[in-house]
Amino acid sequence: DTAVSQTPKYLVTQMGNDKSIKCEQNLGHDTMYWYKQDSKKFLKIMFSYNNKELIINETVPNRFSPKSPDKAHLNLHINSLELGDSAVYFCASSQGGRDQPQHFGDGTRLSIL
Amino acid sequence: GENVEQHPSTLSVQEGDSAVIKCTYSDSASNYFPWYKQELGKGPQLIIDIRSNVGEKKDQRIAVTLNKTAKHFSLHITETQPEDSAVYFCAATGGGADGLTFGKGTHLIIQP
Repeated sequence: DTAVSQTPKYLVTQMGNDKSIKCEQNLGHDTMYWYKQDSKKFLKIMFSYNNKELIINETVPNRFSPKSPDKAHLNLHINSLELGDSAVYFCASSQGGRDQPQHFGDGTRLSIL
Repeated sequence: GENVEQHPSTLSVQEGDSAVIKCTYSDSASNYFPWYKQELGKGPQLIIDIRSNVGEKKDQRIAVTLNKTAKHFSLHITETQPEDSAVYFCAATGGGADGLTFGKGTHLIIQP
């Protein structure tokens, strides 16, 4: 059983398009996150979300928006894709917030042509 | 905000020897310090963590030490094995968006 699963694993698309990445966790956690890993493998937090609050890293462009249909899902929507959006995006979850263990999915590699 | 520095960026050790990776952090309010292992094509996997009220924690061949005064923490792997080869990340709380702030990673290579 995969604890945190993301789809698709690979996403190749043209500049200017709009795309979504799905994330589901079956751990019963109440907080979910999105991280971006660049070509140098640097991991950076983008968002955290629980059923009460969305917290956005100030450096994230407003073209990125997370949406949570329910507690087990946090999908990432990206509008007007740019070349610099090419990266691996990771979803994670934890129980109780950032000072609790976070469990990561295996990532979605986004390539912008 | 929090800043985490990690060294070295690459570490090559002989199989069976020990490996040590060091990290420093800037925010004295940070209270949770996890370590992750990332294999090629996979997501980061939590291998050990430590909280600010503890100085050392051990789990089989892996140990982590924390010095709150100096704001640094280290990962120690003993009796290294080929399957330990991976990229290791340290992290600390205190980052933006209520998430973790990661170091830049250490590529650990175990030489047979």
